Amino acid sequence: AQTVTQSQPEMSVQEAETVTLSCTYDTSESDYYLFWYKQPPSRQMILVIRQEAYKQQNATENRFSVNFQKAAKSFSLKISDSQLGDAAMYFCAYRSPDYQLIWGAGTKLIIKP
Amino acid sequence: DSGVTQTPKHLITATGQRVTLRCSPRSGDLSVYWYQQSLDQGLQFLIQYYNGEERAKGNILERFSAQQFPDLHSELNLSSLELGDSALYFCASSEGWDYAGDSPLHFGNGTRLTVT
Repeated sequence: AQTVTQSQPEMSVQEAETVTLSCTYDTSESDYYLFWYKQPPSRQMILVIRQEAYKQQNATENRFSVNFQKAAKSFSLKISDSQLGDAAMYFCAYRSPDYQLIWGAGTKLIIKP
Repeated sequence: DSGVTQTPKHLITATGQRVTLRCSPRSGDLSVYWYQQSLDQGLQFLIQYYNGEERAKGNILERFSAQQFPDLHSELNLSSLELGDSALYFCASSEGWDYAGDSPLHFGNGTRLTVT
């Protein structure tokens, strides 16, 4: 069964510093998609970044980048120059071949001013 | 604003009751997805509709049902409610039936259901 594990229930970082959120997943597939979503207190799920497994290059979106290690089945999110507005729950998700999204339990990110 | 509208925002009801959650997708999106988020958990996929037809089914209980109407809005019906059904219910939409490509998922703000 496909699973997604986020081992850090909570992380904190000083404003302007860099933080890395961990995510590991389990799959026997070779082609798939991985996502990081942000859920601020407003509750809405917001797509942060997306990675296609067949692409070797790590995805980046402004201050957000991933470290995708396919062999290790690891998909960590790095947030550079952390801002107060980055405070939220962050969810890692894996898209299965039947198009279902499998979600991790989330990491609560706290930004210290 | 994602363009996905969910109503109501909050719902409090008693065990054994039936409720209906409503979702209007973003303009132009043909797919609607329903997810359940229990406390401190990730989302659980319930069901997907594409252009009025059921496209994929996840861990949806038999007490739950959904449909997508010709105007593309969707309703999720929850019946014989139990305490464990208390959760955030999210609706998401995408233009196509595959959201991993150039047709990403857009989420609504969710409906908070409390069963007492």
